[in-house]
Amino acid sequence: SQQGEEDPQALSIQEGENATMNCSYKTSINNLQWYRQNSGRGLVHLILIRSNEREKHSGRLRVTLDTSKKSSSLLITASRAADTASYFCATANSGGGADGLTFGKGTHLIIQP
Amino acid sequence: DVKVTQSSRYLVKRTGEKVFLECVQDMDHENMFWYRQDPGLGLRLIYFSYDVKMKEKGDIPEGYSVSREKKERFSLILESASTNQTSMYLCASSLQRERGTQYFGPGTRLTVL
Repeated sequence: SQQGEEDPQALSIQEGENATMNCSYKTSINNLQWYRQNSGRGLVHLILIRSNEREKHSGRLRVTLDTSKKSSSLLITASRAADTASYFCATANSGGGADGLTFGKGTHLIIQP
Repeated sequence: DVKVTQSSRYLVKRTGEKVFLECVQDMDHENMFWYRQDPGLGLRLIYFSYDVKMKEKGDIPEGYSVSREKKERFSLILESASTNQTSMYLCASSLQRERGTQYFGPGTRLTVL
């Protein structure tokens, strides 16, 4: 079942601007992750934020998590042409076991030079 | 460096054929996953495995089976391929008891005619 839903579905900005993508989910989570996918390729892990964390940084990436609203945002600062890709949020549900992640449908980001 | 490889980047098969998609990881990960990715639907979990000879159904297991005879190898089998199984297939692996980062292969784009 689809858990994470990204918003917007597509985003086009100028190089150098900041890009913000949002993700909403439905059930309790252990952690939330963001992945990037370049056209026709596999996914690459960007960042993981645990349910007891509110904000996390990695280079030009900033992720926030609001468990009360069941939402997360990914901010890419000072965007570059190479950031053009699809971005997915994925949730790992709370509870035992090691089952797979539940992915959203993605935000397609285009950075205009 | 972490590496997940998939046997083919592109594959064309005919309806009714038996299809094997192979995935190999070199990270000694316990967990391995098979997803399919379709436009507008995002990634959906087909099967996963948390140990050799163990398998668990994901969200859309119908029409698929899997095999895990060795820790590093996880195979997805389409017993009798159908046109609605035309898709991008992504394999991933992760550490046991850690709902953390999944490492993805480059994907296999399967077309069933």
